[in-house]
Amino acid sequence: DAGVTQSPTHLIKTRGQHVTLRCSPISGHKSVSWYQQVLGQGPQFIFQYYEKEERGRGNFPDRFSARQFPNYSSELNVNALLLGDSALYLCASSLLLAGGTTQYFGPGTRLTVL
Amino acid sequence: TQLLEQSPQFLSIQEGENLTVYCNSSSVFSSLQWYRQEPGEGPVLLVTVVTGGEVKKLKRLTFQFGDARKDSSLHITAAQPGDTGLYLCAETGFQKLVFGTGTRLLVSP
Repeated sequence: DAGVTQSPTHLIKTRGQHVTLRCSPISGHKSVSWYQQVLGQGPQFIFQYYEKEERGRGNFPDRFSARQFPNYSSELNVNALLLGDSALYLCASSLLLAGGTTQYFGPGTRLTVL
Repeated sequence: TQLLEQSPQFLSIQEGENLTVYCNSSSVFSSLQWYRQEPGEGPVLLVTVVTGGEVKKLKRLTFQFGDARKDSSLHITAAQPGDTGLYLCAETGFQKLVFGTGTRLLVSP
């Protein structure tokens, strides 16, 4: 069975630009979460979506937005990119929304902002 | 906000050595997970601990959850190069995982 997939793998943007990252969850999983992992740190929670609705938001500015589609895939959008947005963006899918449900992570998208 | 501190930040050892990494919290964990992340990949779940004092074993890895559920440790016996990676602890909240700062382990042949 295919795991969580993310695209693109790598991305280079300049300050002020906009970026869209994509995630396809494991088949049957209805929940998708996004995390940002800055080099040398643990991942930080950005968003969780379940059944196409936002169910949780981390401490990130409004430049970050996301959505989930009817097929449960998801997009993370970041506007007005800053140098500090350079990071590995991880998508995780889970079967349910409830805490304790195992989350499965994709390989991530490495974003570099110049 | 829950703060999870891991120590050491970096560990470089020879194949066959034993090691322990630690995860400490400013407050009580609801439950705790340990992940390993290899370069170019996302974190992979190793174990979930729920009960204070719980001990779980996964081959050469032993996980302990503190009695007060504010700390946890991961012990690796006879480390192998394949154990190299970033080890992350994370508290499992209702909607999100709160990750620790990570311990980067390098096992040399």
